[in-house]
Parts: sequence; structure tokens; C-alpha cells
Amino acid sequence: NAGVMQNPRHLVRRRGQEARLRCSPMKGHSHVYWYRQLPEEGLKFMVYLQKENIIDESGMPKERFSAEFPKEGPSILRIQQVVRGDSAAYFCASSVTTNEQFFGPGTRLTVL
Amino acid sequence: DQQVKQNSPSLSVQEGRISILNCDYTNSMFDYFLWYKKYPAEGPTFLISISSIKDKNEDGRFTVFLNKSAKHLSLHIVPSQPGDSAVYFCAASEGGNQFYFGTGTSLTVIP
Repeated sequence: NAGVMQNPRHLVRRRGQEARLRCSPMKGHSHVYWYRQLPEEGLKFMVYLQKENIIDESGMPKERFSAEFPKEGPSILRIQQVVRGDSAAYFCASSVTTNEQFFGPGTRLTVL
Repeated sequence: DQQVKQNSPSLSVQEGRISILNCDYTNSMFDYFLWYKKYPAEGPTFLISISSIKDKNEDGRFTVFLNKSAKHLSLHIVPSQPGDSAVYFCAASEGGNQFYFGTGTSLTVIP
């Protein structure tokens, strides 16, 4: 059973471009969470999704950020018109229940 | 608003001794707490958890203690090993929807 997979592992974008981060949860996991870790900070919750539904997006900026978890395929975190402050490590986690979460290796986004 | 706090950014411990990592929280409605371990360039790995109905949970060398009245939890690692050197995050949740993480404590176990 493969763990949570995220790709790409590293992503470089110029200001104003779009960033798409993908997360494939562990097999059988229907809960997906996205977190952001800024330098020198802890993990900050962004959004919690189940298949085709956003359950809690209270941690996600209202503009430029969106997330989806379609019926088929990976969960996508999309950042439009990236700015330098978006540079961070973005982690995805999945779970069977709403307790123990298994994390992916993260995507490190660098905005030039 | 940081609801989960780890006030010690770093900790150094001699191999074989006990490591104690601390975590404080502000929301009395939190009912589930976890500790994660993170190596550089990797995602956090689940270590141990405790629900609010317990005050202690043990798994091998790792024990988590919960003091609800003080809103404090701690992770004890005995004996500490060099491979335990990593960043440790505590996390808390109310009902499991959203997890709040602390800023992490970097543990160094000196051989």
C-alpha cells in the first residue's frame, strides 16, 4: 500500500503564474487535508476535503487559492497568480477516519 | 492566533537520557492530540496520539501525557537515540475536521 503521494516535489514559478499541486491519498482514504508550512513556522491548516466535497476551507486564503478532490484522480491545490509570499512547503495528508492523518512528502513551491 | 504552542524551538539531549517535549493549547474543546516527527525534506510521520478521555498513552519508548486542567501535553522519549533527532510537532483537533499544529521542536540526540 503506497503512502500519500505528492507531485511535483519541487515547483518553481514566476510571479503571476499558476501553480498546481497534486496529492494522491493512500488507497482507501477518502479524507484529504492540505497544509502549508512557511519558513520557521509550523504547519497551517488550509482545507479539508472528501470526495467531490469541500468540508472545511477556513484556513485557505479567499483569493487565488482553490482546492478540489474529484471522484476520480488526485486532489489538486491550485494557486493562481502566485506571489513571492506563496513560497512554502505544501503538505497533503489523508485519513480513513477524521483522526490519524498520514502525510505526503510535500511540494516545495518557490516563487521567483 | 496560535491555538497550539511549542515554546521550545530546540532541545538537545544525551543519548540514553529522557527527552521531554512540551506543548500547550488554548482551546478547551480540543479532544484529540497527536505527535508527529519530521525529518528534513520529508512529510510529518505520525508518532503517537491521545484522546481527551485519557491522561497517558504509551507506545514503546514513547509516552504522551495529557493534563487537561493545565491544557498541556508532553511527549517523553526514553531512552533517547540518535535516530530520534528530528523536528517534533504536536497537533490538536476538535472533532477531527481541522488540526492545529504547533511550530515544532527540533530535537538533537547527542551520541
